[in-house]
Amino acid sequence: DAVMTQTPLSLPVSLGDQASISCRSSQSLENSNGNTYLNWYLQKPGQSPQLLIYRVSNRFSGVLDRFSGSGSGTDFTLKISRVEAEDLGVYFCLQVTHVPYTFGGGTKLEIK
Amino acid sequence: QVQLQQSGAELARPGASVKLSCKASGYTFTSYWMQWVKQRPGQGLEWIGAIYPGDGDTRYTQKFKGKATLTADKSSSTAYMQLSSLASEDSAVYYCARDTKFAYWGQGTLVTVSA
Repeated sequence: DAVMTQTPLSLPVSLGDQASISCRSSQSLENSNGNTYLNWYLQKPGQSPQLLIYRVSNRFSGVLDRFSGSGSGTDFTLKISRVEAEDLGVYFCLQVTHVPYTFGGGTKLEIK
Repeated sequence: QVQLQQSGAELARPGASVKLSCKASGYTFTSYWMQWVKQRPGQGLEWIGAIYPGDGDTRYTQKFKGKATLTADKSSSTAYMQLSSLASEDSAVYYCARDTKFAYWGQGTLVTVSA
């Protein structure tokens, strides 16, 4: 199974700062078709997760351009520019290249 | 708009079974995989498996083979997950989510296993 390791576990930030979350896979997430199936989600307190980024760098419908994804192979990053209060919660990465699909352990974005 | 409406909270005895539902609307039910995900209180997310309602094809992660059974009813656009031989470690919130992007999520169903 592809093990997804997210860092940091907790990320205290000041409003207006930039935040960066890392997700590392134990194996390459590039498919034989050349695509890389790595997604990012935000779970706000008491809510279901919501899709932010799919296939490494594609913003889902309605997601603000303050959210950006990058990376390749085994190393991926989610950046949030100008953090706002509504961005707080737990961020997860998910790989859907290999079955079984596997999630990262989560990064809690909180106010410093 | 796409909506996934999950069934209400369940309280079950150890050893019992429960069947959770996820009713889809706003899209062609048979054209997208339906995923199922487990989240224990204060913990991360765990993929259970998926079903393609168009032909009933299923995939499961090894850990949930024998524990979870996924089915789908095309006539009512509803996906189901049966959990059997319940134990305390099955107490969790269970989500359904659409397609391999997990683009849309249900509101979750809380399952509590207690004697």
